[in-house]
Amino acid sequence: AIQLTQSPSSLSASVGDRVTITCRASQGISSALAWYQQKPGKAPNLLIYDASTLETGVPSRFSGSGSGTEFTLTISSLQPEDFATYYCQQFNSYPPVTFGQGTRLDIK
Amino acid sequence: QLQMQESGPGLVKPSETLSLTCTVSGGSISSSSYYWGWVRQPPGKGLEWIGTIFYTGSTYYNPSLKSRLTISIDTSKNQFSLKLSSVTAADTAVYYCARHRRHILHHWGQGTLVTVSS
Repeated sequence: AIQLTQSPSSLSASVGDRVTITCRASQGISSALAWYQQKPGKAPNLLIYDASTLETGVPSRFSGSGSGTEFTLTISSLQPEDFATYYCQQFNSYPPVTFGQGTRLDIK
Repeated sequence: QLQMQESGPGLVKPSETLSLTCTVSGGSISSSSYYWGWVRQPPGKGLEWIGTIFYTGSTYYNPSLKSRLTISIDTSKNQFSLKLSSVTAADTAVYYCARHRRHILHHWGQGTLVTVSS
């Protein structure tokens, strides 16, 4: 199974900050990567798929990049509602589909 | 608007079978455009993909669960179901159903907590 490693596992930031989260795959997955946001007690919400395609309705401050084994999720200017946990997911090679371990984003 | 709702017992005894159903409304489960799947999340932990089914009945299972897992679909009721046998405390989790294309999970149910305990 392809392993995804997110870094950092947690970070603290302030409203207005630019934040970047990295996801590294144990082997190449082309651009078959998605990013999800999850708030406490809620289901995950798709933000980005195919590494850089923004899901309909997701604010443009979210962006994704990368291919192969290294990917990034960037939030250009943090808003209060962005404090949550973020997961990457690969769908290039399955079964199984796999997720990263998550990155928790807290208010500084 | 698509709605997905998980249902089933919230408490299951060890060694028994966990059974959940996802009822889909606002869209047809027989669509050839989508797959239907299950993901779980143990309390305080990350996401684990369980498996997926197409309206034809073809399935993909997580190899780590495959020996205990059955996912089925009932197009007449617009539902799909999960059965996980021989459960242990490690199967305690919030279970989500989801709709996806190419294993990109665009739409999720709200999730249901299943606790394995005697």
